Amino acid sequence: QKEVEQDPGPLSVPEGAIVSLNCTYSNSAFQYFMWYRQYSRKGPELLMYTYSSGNKEDGRFTAQVDKSSKYISLFIRDSQPSDSATYLCAMSKNRDDKIIFGKGTRLHILP
Amino acid sequence: GAVVSQHPSWVICKSGTSVKIECRSLDFQATTMFWYRQFPKQSLMLMATSNEGSKATYEQGVEKDKFLINHASLTLSTLTVTSAHPEDSSFYICSAKPRAGGYTFGSGTRLTVV
Repeated sequence: QKEVEQDPGPLSVPEGAIVSLNCTYSNSAFQYFMWYRQYSRKGPELLMYTYSSGNKEDGRFTAQVDKSSKYISLFIRDSQPSDSATYLCAMSKNRDDKIIFGKGTRLHILP
Repeated sequence: GAVVSQHPSWVICKSGTSVKIECRSLDFQATTMFWYRQFPKQSLMLMATSNEGSKATYEQGVEKDKFLINHASLTLSTLTVTSAHPEDSSFYICSAKPRAGGYTFGSGTRLTVV
């Protein structure tokens, strides 16, 4: 079993819809959870950074962490065509430890 | 916010030559930087952890003599791909972590070996 599992998609949704992306993981030692957005041929851009379980909201983005289920989610409200990208979940055990990435989910927002 | 600058953004080199990629943290100091490699439509694979003033730590399967890492200052780490071959063609990305918040990534370097 891989440490971090993420459905690669692609996921296509109409503009304005709510997008739900998620990852599961196997190592209960992970405490820091991140979501990155990556456009083609660009470096990943940090969207959300959370510690332990709970919710965090930033604009149209909401990150949820459920450590008991080893499950994390990213919700995008009012999705826009410019949100079309690959979304990678990532996590680490300690604050300054190396991070482990999911495979990334390719998202297409249809105008 | 924290910015990591990576240079060059793309490079083409002949087989057998060496290529150096630079990664700079512009507005923060980074005692640790990470180097990743990414193949098309694949996730980021950690190659090595670069530590300022000491030797880098390489992940299993990564040749340390082929991918030389130097972290000479708190704001600069370099990755040198030595004796490059076509199979080394890939997208190389560095990252660093400011004191607060998550890891910040450079814009990546696309290496093509011909």
